[in-house]
Amino acid sequence: QKEVEQDPGPLSVPEGAIVSLNCTYSNSAFQYFMWYRQYSRKGPELLMYTYSSGNKEDGRFTAQVDKSSKYISLFIRDSQPSDSATYLCAMLTGNQFYFGTGTSLTVIP
Amino acid sequence: DTGVSQDPRHKITKRGQNVTFRCDPISEHNRLYWYRQTLGQGPEFLTYFQNEAQLEKSRLLSDRFSAERPKGSFSTLEIQRTEQGDSAMYLCALLQGDYNEQFFGPGTRLTVL
Repeated sequence: QKEVEQDPGPLSVPEGAIVSLNCTYSNSAFQYFMWYRQYSRKGPELLMYTYSSGNKEDGRFTAQVDKSSKYISLFIRDSQPSDSATYLCAMLTGNQFYFGTGTSLTVIP
Repeated sequence: DTGVSQDPRHKITKRGQNVTFRCDPISEHNRLYWYRQTLGQGPEFLTYFQNEAQLEKSRLLSDRFSAERPKGSFSTLEIQRTEQGDSAMYLCALLQGDYNEQFFGPGTRLTVL
């Protein structure tokens, strides 16, 4: 079993839709949780970073962490075609980061 | 701009050749990571430096791979006797300040023929 599980999609939504992306994990030692956006042939770009259960909001993005269920989510409101990318969840314990496989999202104009 | 540059951006080589990649932070960061990413997968941890000390290495890092960070600033990743399975994107990442916020460079795409 992988440390971090993420549905690879692909996910296709119309412009303006609310997008929900999810990851589950098995290691209770994970303390920090991140979401990255990666465009084709580019390095991942940090979107959200949180270390506690609950919600964190930044503009159209909301990150949600439920440590009791070992489940994290990223919500994108009013999705735009420019949001089309691969979204990676990542988790940290000690000095090592563990990434999901990424979910490919396409927002259709 | 994430403050990290990588060189070259793309490298094509023949099987059996040695290749070296470079990661240059624009400003001082004491923690530096190398990852490998293949198509449809997330980045896989390879190794981690705190200043010039290489503190952790993944089991993925066979003896054909070596990484250095001689002065605690730029870092190099060398692959000897490349194999077709080494074809991937090699990413360098830095940790910002006191937080565990990790910022990636643009990556070096390696193609082994």
